[in-house]
Amino acid sequence: ELKVEQNPLFLSMQEGKNYTIYCNYSTTSDRLYWYRQDPGKSLESLFVLLSNGAVKQEGRLMASLDTKARLSTLHITAAVHDLSATYFCAVEAQGGSEKLVFGKGTKLTVNP
Amino acid sequence: DAGITQSPRHKVTETGTPVTLRCHQTENHRYMYWYRQDPGHGLRLIHYSYGVKDTDKGEVSDGYSVSRSKTEDFLLTLESATSSQTSVYFCAISRAGQLYEQYFGPGTRLTVT
Repeated sequence: ELKVEQNPLFLSMQEGKNYTIYCNYSTTSDRLYWYRQDPGKSLESLFVLLSNGAVKQEGRLMASLDTKARLSTLHITAAVHDLSATYFCAVEAQGGSEKLVFGKGTKLTVNP
Repeated sequence: DAGITQSPRHKVTETGTPVTLRCHQTENHRYMYWYRQDPGHGLRLIHYSYGVKDTDKGEVSDGYSVSRSKTEDFLLTLESATSSQTSVYFCAISRAGQLYEQYFGPGTRLTVT
């Protein structure tokens, strides 16, 4: 059974600082996704990572995937208040039907 | 915008009452999903569909049933609502042509009293 663990679950940081969110998963998977959720809102897709060594960047966020270590990271560079949100990683379960298993999310608060 | 709507957006109901939530999509996607979101649990898959009349259980399917009689509609039914089913429910579609990313509807907040 696929399990996905994120850490930390809560992250409070100052504007301008860098930090990394980690996503570990327990079984082999072909795809990993990162989503963002603002309070009271739906989930917004950020990145899709398909292969070992994949790296995607959008603004101050950079995601990477190491399939051998079963680890993905979401790196935040020079954080700004607008990045405050909850970030989820999700891993595709094997067996078809494109099912995803989500981590519990990391609630990021960026303080001025 | 993946053209996903959910109805109702908010609902308060009493224990033991049947409840049906509707997910509607406008882009003819094959795969549709129902999740629930609870504090401390992230999103958990309830049921999913891979075509008209083709559905299967997810991680937390007990107490829920689904139906899909048309490509565009995926219904989630709580046969007899319980307080433990108080949650935010999200519908999602998977875009096969776009790396199978899942796109989420706006959510339904359900409170069972």
